[in-house]
Amino acid sequence: NAGVTQTPKFQVLKTGQSMTLQCAQDMNHEYMSWYRQDPGMGLRLIHYSVGAGITDQGEVPNGYNVSRSTTEDFPLRLLSAAPSQTSVYFCASSAMTGAWDTQYFGPGTRLTVL
Amino acid sequence: SQQGEEDPQALSIQEGENATMNCSYKTSINNLQWYRQNSGRGLVHLILIRSNEREKHSGRLRVTLDTSKKSSSLLITASRAADTASYFCATTGGGADGLTFGKGTHLIIQP
Repeated sequence: NAGVTQTPKFQVLKTGQSMTLQCAQDMNHEYMSWYRQDPGMGLRLIHYSVGAGITDQGEVPNGYNVSRSTTEDFPLRLLSAAPSQTSVYFCASSAMTGAWDTQYFGPGTRLTVL
Repeated sequence: SQQGEEDPQALSIQEGENATMNCSYKTSINNLQWYRQNSGRGLVHLILIRSNEREKHSGRLRVTLDTSKKSSSLLITASRAADTASYFCATTGGGADGLTFGKGTHLIIQP
């Protein structure tokens, strides 16, 4: 199993540009989440999904959209990038053994917005 | 938010010594988890302890949970250079708030 994969690894955007961060998992996990990590900070939850077709907002959802059309994929869209969205983004998945149990993280996408 | 806070923020010890990190949180929890993050990498799950448990072991790791004090500790015994990393605690009440992470303890193991 590849686990949780994320693409791209690095990305530089200009203010106002849009892009999609890709996340995929091959563990048949129901839960998937997106977090951002800023320097010296813990991870903050952006959006999450409890299954295909179901998404919800986390702590810091503004400026981001998500959709979950399949169990495997959970893309994160930035509609109009802002410098405040410069961060490292992590996708995670977990099995439906219990709410917010063990998370399996991807390697991250380092995003810089100029 | 029931964000956990790790203490200390940074810890430097000699290889072979034990390392202890603490986590405090604010509201009742369903479970508490510890993760490790090596520089520039994703987080790796270490151990999960549920609110009705007081202690768990996994290899060289020992986690305790005191729900009356709203605190947890992570002990790494016989530390190795490969243990150099940042360690995060994460808590959840099990609801829509999701998993909330602390800012982490940066552990350096000196050879």
